[in-house]
Parts: sequence; structure tokens; C-alpha cells
Amino acid sequence: QVQLQESGPGLVKPSQTLSLTCTVSGGSISSGLYYWSWIRQPAGKGLEWIGRVHTSGSSDYNPSLNSRVTISVDTSKNQFSLKLSSVTTADTAVYYCASGIAAAGFDNWGQGTLVTVSS
Amino acid sequence: SYELTQPLSVSVALGQTARVTCGGNNIGSKSVHWYQQKPGQAPVLVIYRDSKRPSGIPERFSGSNSGNTATLTISRAQAGDEADYYCQVWDSSTVVFGGGTKLTVL
Repeated sequence: QVQLQESGPGLVKPSQTLSLTCTVSGGSISSGLYYWSWIRQPAGKGLEWIGRVHTSGSSDYNPSLNSRVTISVDTSKNQFSLKLSSVTTADTAVYYCASGIAAAGFDNWGQGTLVTVSS
Repeated sequence: SYELTQPLSVSVALGQTARVTCGGNNIGSKSVHWYQQKPGQAPVLVIYRDSKRPSGIPERFSGSNSGNTATLTISRAQAGDEADYYCQVWDSSTVVFGGGTKLTVL
């Protein structure tokens, strides 16, 4: 069973870049079947998809965040990463990494990591 | 952009059947996935591709999808089913989540 674990700073200053990494264990990130996504959830609110990457190099992003988001994959480390630039307090949320097969649901999730944007 | 509409809350008596709906324009033409999220935990996939159950999910959970409404049905509701439930679809290579429904088991 594939397991996912998020890591990164829990506090980011406004206007800076939020950077998180998701480490994949129990399986290879290079499995061509899977897409690797980031999803976030502000406190007390619903889920918001940020974007996804495939080891082929293709990526897709939420149009509302597209200009600020980059998701990349490092197959040598079995990791994928999120960078969100020019953050504001509205970006404060629990950030999850998740995986799933194309056109199917997200069947694996990390435990989530809280990122607070504050000066 | 595509939108999914869920009721904010649904209540069900212990042992009865709960139905959580997810509305969207011609949602019947899309595959719908459902997640259960308990407080402080990551979401768990309970139904994928409208009506399929991942391994480990009880048969009490079922799904359907037709027209403009997809439905998650929880039979013989238990106290442990109390949670937030989210529907999700893919639309033009992007993911859309419903706003979530809080299920209360009375």
C-alpha cells in the first residue's frame, strides 16, 4: 500500500513562496498509472484541488491558482513538490498530497500539514 | 467552470438510510467519487466511478449517478458514519469538489 507524507515549513510570511514536499513510500512514483496531486483545506472549509503532476512531465492546475503554482516530481527521490508563490493569509490551510489513477478518485492521501501564512 | 452542489447537512436516525446528494449540470455524464472525512483526519475514498467501493469500505456504502444528481447512500447508518462527505469529479483535466455535507447520526 502506497503511503504519502507531506513535509515543509509550517509558517510562511506573506508575499513569500510556500514550498512543500510529498514523499512516496511503499511504491514507485514512476508508476505510469498514477497522478500526484496537492489539495488544501482552510480551517472549517471544504477541499480545494491545487493541481497534479504525472511522471511523464505533464501537469494541470486549478485555474484560480494557475499563475502562482508549480508542481514538480523527482523520481530519484520518489517525491513530488508544491510551490505556491506570493502567498497571502488566504493561503493558510491544511495541505494534503494525494494520488489516484486518471479519471478515478484519490485513493491515497497524506496525513496533511498545516501551513500558516503570517508575518 | 463546473460546479457541484451539496446540501450543507443531512441527518439520519441510527440504523436508517442516509442519502447525500451532489448536483451538477449533466453530472450523469461524468464519473463521481465520494470521500468521507472525520475531524482531524484526511479524507478517505468511499465510492469511486459512481458506484464502486474500494477494498475495506463496507457494503453499506453505495452510489448512483444519473441526470443532474449523484447520490451517496449509507444504509444502516452507524455512529461512526458521522462525518463530512465530499463529492468530486474531473472536468477538463481539473478536479472539482462539492462543498461538502455534514452527516449527523441521531
